Amino acid sequence: AQSVTQLDSQVPVFEEAPVELRCNYSSSVSVYLFWYVQYPNQGLQLLLKYLSGSTLVKGINGFEAEFNKSQTSFHLRKPSVHISDTAEYFCAVSVASGSRLTFGEGTQLTVNP
Amino acid sequence: SQTIHQWPATLVQPVGSPLSLECTVEGTSNPNLYWYRQAAGRGLQLLFYSVGIGQISSEVPQNLSASRPQDRQFILSSKKLLLSDSGFYLCAWSPLRAGLAYEQYFGPGTRLTVT
Repeated sequence: AQSVTQLDSQVPVFEEAPVELRCNYSSSVSVYLFWYVQYPNQGLQLLLKYLSGSTLVKGINGFEAEFNKSQTSFHLRKPSVHISDTAEYFCAVSVASGSRLTFGEGTQLTVNP
Repeated sequence: SQTIHQWPATLVQPVGSPLSLECTVEGTSNPNLYWYRQAAGRGLQLLFYSVGIGQISSEVPQNLSASRPQDRQFILSSKKLLLSDSGFYLCAWSPLRAGLAYEQYFGPGTRLTVT
């Protein structure tokens, strides 16, 4: 079965600084990878997804992520964050053969002025 | 476009009382449907999923149950709530044609407090 690990539970950064949220997965077969964002008291919103093709995936709100098969990682990046990016971010993985999504424990991103 | 609704948005219930949370999806047919729970400060726990009317799979044994009486309706129920049932309940859907491995789309959630 697949698994996913988000390496940081909390990431504080200053406004306009770059940020990287780390995600590693474990699977012996091809995977699909996703990043979601959750604002307080709201549902999860899909930021971006990797199904196949280019390993650099661009999403909404200026976020991007890179699929690295050799390092089994799918880190999320943004070159300049805003206060409004403060939220919980979840990485998720599934295997291409049809399993359900497995979510990481989440990373709380806090952007300070 | 597709939309997903959940109600109520918030709920405060005493221990031992029954529960019914409802989720409906618009703008799609034959979706896969999911119920998740988030305890305070914790990640997502998948409770149930359904690939069709009357087809429910349970992930975690507990005092909750789920039903799918119509194609785009998913209900989470309990006969007697426990304090540990408090949390944020999220409903999600994914396109059936895409299989269970593809992305899910989430509703706004229901905040349940059991007192």
